[in-house]
Amino acid sequence: DVKVTQSSRYLVKRTGEKVFLECVQDMDHENMFWYRQDPGLGLRLIYFSYDVKMKEKGDIPEGYSVSREKKERFSLILESASTNQTSMYLCASSLRLAVSYEQYFGPGTRLTVT
Amino acid sequence: AQKVTQAQTEISVVEKEDVTLDCVYETRDTTYYLFWYKQPPSGELVFLIRRNSFDEQNEISGRYSWNFQKSTSSFNFTITASQVVDSAVYFCALSDQTGANNLFFGTGTRLTVIP
Repeated sequence: DVKVTQSSRYLVKRTGEKVFLECVQDMDHENMFWYRQDPGLGLRLIYFSYDVKMKEKGDIPEGYSVSREKKERFSLILESASTNQTSMYLCASSLRLAVSYEQYFGPGTRLTVT
Repeated sequence: AQKVTQAQTEISVVEKEDVTLDCVYETRDTTYYLFWYKQPPSGELVFLIRRNSFDEQNEISGRYSWNFQKSTSSFNFTITASQVVDSAVYFCALSDQTGANNLFFGTGTRLTVIP
């Protein structure tokens, strides 16, 4: 069964803290993605990775960085958390050469920055 | 650039009513894929359907049906005889052609089915 897991469902951090969000997939997918979801804005792509140690900026990369040291794990890093980064963060994965582009999603991490 | 518009922000229906969720897209690509995802209160997006640009046949799966019309750039989703379990946020998405397998999502439609 397809499985994408995220390290936390809920997270509360203080302004200025460094925050790590972890995502693990067990489907041997090459592509992994980080989105943030905000009311009225839908899902917006932050970063994606199509291979180990490879990364590409999405639509809203500012204030974020990512790390992909192993194929199954993709980490999103908030270098210095700010209140405007309070959001739902969704991780997804997909096969690189899949014509269908279908992405599989994790349950999300709801991050609150106070 | 790819763009997906879901004009309906929120819809409420009474159980057993039919409901249609609209999706309009923009793309210059000749080959593309369209998707619908469901996000129940638990938060995880669940894949519902994928359609490629060369297949305009409508599809039915149980109470769900999809109407793809290239002439109007629309990919609408109808739920027949709605049930309370259908309450969720529904997202329409469009693929890109960069090879990175990216999806562009609409802003979503929140469907509430009232018992």
